[in-house]
Amino acid sequence: DSGVTQTPKHLITATGQRVTLRCSPRSGDLSVYWYQQSLDQGLQFLIQYYNGEERAKGNILERFSAQQFPDLHSELNLSSLELGDSALYFCASSTGGGLITDTQYFGPGTRLTVL
Amino acid sequence: AQKITQTQPGMFVQEKEAVTLDCTYDTSDPSYGLFWYKQPSSGEMIFLIYQGSYDQQNATEGRYSLNFQKARKSANLVISASQLGDSAMYFCAMREGRDSGTALIFGKGTTLSVSS
Repeated sequence: DSGVTQTPKHLITATGQRVTLRCSPRSGDLSVYWYQQSLDQGLQFLIQYYNGEERAKGNILERFSAQQFPDLHSELNLSSLELGDSALYFCASSTGGGLITDTQYFGPGTRLTVL
Repeated sequence: AQKITQTQPGMFVQEKEAVTLDCTYDTSDPSYGLFWYKQPSSGEMIFLIYQGSYDQQNATEGRYSLNFQKARKSANLVISASQLGDSAMYFCAMREGRDSGTALIFGKGTTLSVSS
């Protein structure tokens, strides 16, 4: 158990809908990262937050947004869902202390299926 | 260009044998970190081992060791005495730069199958 929690574990929804994925980082970690894993794209970085502020952006679509709250949990919002958004979405956390050794620990993932 | 290359889509090994999973990387940054993660069929990503670009010694964690050859830009994972529970997908990843704000760049992974 990495200490990172994600809910829900599975999500099935229809095209055009909006969903929210939730992540709680390990105790003491200030950084939260979101990744998408799909068969065709592999593991892709979406976005990072550090202590409530957006820190880095990757291949995140405009239909997707995220935030990190004062209690450091994070939510990833996916809207106007398309079939191609079906994937495993991971949240990872790290201390974010600026060291090169900063290891990211992953949550169990949310498997999103868009029908 | 691929930043992380894992050329072995699948590897097969018998229990108790050692296996090496290959990873080559491409960066011009002198400061970087290399990570290996394991993803069993249940889906979670499990951190295994880390190697920093300035580390003089190869990293080891239990049965896992990293064969780090900086000049060749390779960071191969060695699993000694394979167990059935080692069957999983293995990902090599890199983070560049001193600022830990940068994300991990992953390879496409290698599927390891351990048989009895």
